[in-house]
Amino acid sequence: DSGVTQTPKHLITATGQRVTLRCSPRSGDLSVYWYQQSLDQGLQFLIQYYNGEERAKGNILERFSAQQFPDLHSELNLSSLELGDSALYFCASGGGIPNYGYTFGSGTRLTVV
Amino acid sequence: DQQVKQNSPSLSVQEGRISILNCDYTNSMFDYFLWYKKYPAEGPTFLISISSIKDKNEDGRFTVFLNKSAKHLSLHIVPSQPGDSAVYFCAASWDNNNDMRFGAGTRLTVKP
Repeated sequence: DSGVTQTPKHLITATGQRVTLRCSPRSGDLSVYWYQQSLDQGLQFLIQYYNGEERAKGNILERFSAQQFPDLHSELNLSSLELGDSALYFCASGGGIPNYGYTFGSGTRLTVV
Repeated sequence: DQQVKQNSPSLSVQEGRISILNCDYTNSMFDYFLWYKKYPAEGPTFLISISSIKDKNEDGRFTVFLNKSAKHLSLHIVPSQPGDSAVYFCAASWDNNNDMRFGAGTRLTVKP
């Protein structure tokens, strides 16, 4: 157990739908990072939050949004889902300094049918 | 936007031999480099890192080498063990920027 909790582990939904992925960071970590891993692709950085505020944005689609709540858990909202959104979505947490490495959760596997 | 590249999708080595995983980057602003290891059905786990002011960092069986002029880094595992079989991701970041870029990963298989 890495200390980073992601729910649900698996999600199957239809095109056009909206889903919410949840992440609870490791105790004491203020930053939450979201990554997408499509089939045979590397980890694509989506977005980072630090203590409730958006800190950095990567290749995140406009149909996707995220937020971090006062208790530091984060949610990634994916809307108007397309087949190509099927992927593993990882959440990672850290102290805000990437040089010490992030701690990743086990991921949410999203399948859009 | 492939700023970090791992050109070998897979590598197979014999137990006890050396595994060498390679990574190239294009952004000269990167100043910190990390390797992550990922088992199936698990998230990546941090393995080892190196600052751009160094050219080598060693931790047990794992050594990372950095060649800044060539924008190349490598991870050496000696001796390789079957438990090392996993996907290895190279990652790079720059100071005060939390946008860490990852490579596509290399699947290492260590045969007994």
